[in-house]
Amino acid sequence: EAGVAQSPRYKIIEKRQSVAFWCNPISGHATLYWYQQILGQGPKLLIQFQNNGVVDDSQLPKDRFSAERLKGVDSTLKIQPAKLEDSAVYLCASSSRGGSTGELFFGEGSRLTVL
Amino acid sequence: GEDVEQSLFLSVREGDSSVINCTYTDSSSTYLYWYKQEPGAGLQLLTYIFSNMDMKQDQRLTVLLNKKDKHLSLRIADTQTGDSAIYFCAEEEFYFGSGTKLNVKP
Repeated sequence: EAGVAQSPRYKIIEKRQSVAFWCNPISGHATLYWYQQILGQGPKLLIQFQNNGVVDDSQLPKDRFSAERLKGVDSTLKIQPAKLEDSAVYLCASSSRGGSTGELFFGEGSRLTVL
Repeated sequence: GEDVEQSLFLSVREGDSSVINCTYTDSSSTYLYWYKQEPGAGLQLLTYIFSNMDMKQDQRLTVLLNKKDKHLSLRIADTQTGDSAIYFCAEEEFYFGSGTKLNVKP
């Protein structure tokens, strides 16, 4: 079974530029999560999708971050315009069951450096 | 549920037991998780415990939960060099600790 795929693995941009990250979850997984992991910290949940609907985006900085999950499969996370403090690893995870009963499977992450 | 705290570092010798501790704040959490992260990789679920349990054992891993003190621990028996990684505790899928870096010396 293929795992959670993310791209690009690495991205370097200058502040005020835009960037997009892509995630392909495990086939059949209805729930998809995006996390931001700043160096030395644990992952912070940005947004949770159930199929193509948003369940929780309370910690997503909506003035600059946006995310979508078209057709309930792949998802993209966009940052526009980027700030220095957005430098982090962006992790995507998926689960067959939402809420607390499903194991999360994480991708390897997309490392963003904002100069 | 936003404050999940862990000690930053733990160093043990190969063959010893490791105990990684975590405190959390949200008493309504149903599940508490332990994840392992190796360099350059995503998080891997190690084990989890339901909030109505005190202990769970899974091969070399033992999880202890003290709900009264909101304290969670992970014990790794017979620690190996391959166990060197960062370990995260998490409340549900929402709140993660900052991670404990486990260094296993041969």
